[in-house]
Amino acid sequence: GAGVSQSPRYKVTKRGQDVALRCDPISGHVSLYWYRQALGQGPEFLTYFNYEAQQDKSGLPNDRFSAERPEGSISTLTIQRTEQRDSAMYRCASSLYGRGTEAFFGQGTRLTVV
Amino acid sequence: SQQGEEDPQALSIQEGENATMNCSYKTSINNLQWYRQNSGRGLVHLILIRSNEREKHSGRLRVTLDTSKKSSSLLITASRAADTASYFCATDPNTGANSKLTFGKGITLSVRP
Repeated sequence: GAGVSQSPRYKVTKRGQDVALRCDPISGHVSLYWYRQALGQGPEFLTYFNYEAQQDKSGLPNDRFSAERPEGSISTLTIQRTEQRDSAMYRCASSLYGRGTEAFFGQGTRLTVV
Repeated sequence: SQQGEEDPQALSIQEGENATMNCSYKTSINNLQWYRQNSGRGLVHLILIRSNEREKHSGRLRVTLDTSKKSSSLLITASRAADTASYFCATDPNTGANSKLTFGKGITLSVRP
């Protein structure tokens, strides 16, 4: 596609519900990143894929968070049993080769847990 | 954790002036990148400088990198009101096989018309 696409753009969910956030990277991009950004802060690294392999998940806050990229293209970030502290902007980015190449960010998904 | 630390945290200048923003980091890097974020919007990549480069230009942007001091600066010349945004530096570490961009907290730049 022309750019990184994330859906939904906005998600309001009740505490305790599971949510799935989708990222459609730029076609042909090998690397895919998930970040979380609080208001007034920089993006915080969550996890990173090369093709379908999850290379680094050190930024996932706890085991309620998981991500997959089964066919090396679209990725899903899943948050189980959401809590209010999970409310944030979740951003996805992709890059052609990873290290040494620029990352292109999507518009993000604004998650609000009520 | 956020490795890059930008300063100042906020900068207000008059249109036409130059804006200089600094970034310091702690660990060895493969490359350093600068991004811009307009209010409420996505992050846009501005420039990437590798660890073996000292200076890079792109239009009105000039980035320098001093690996001995673990610092970088972003200079925007002849600023415009449209440059008003938050600016982030992001470091890609030189350890391991994987890329892991780590962002700073950002600098808020206001350019007054």
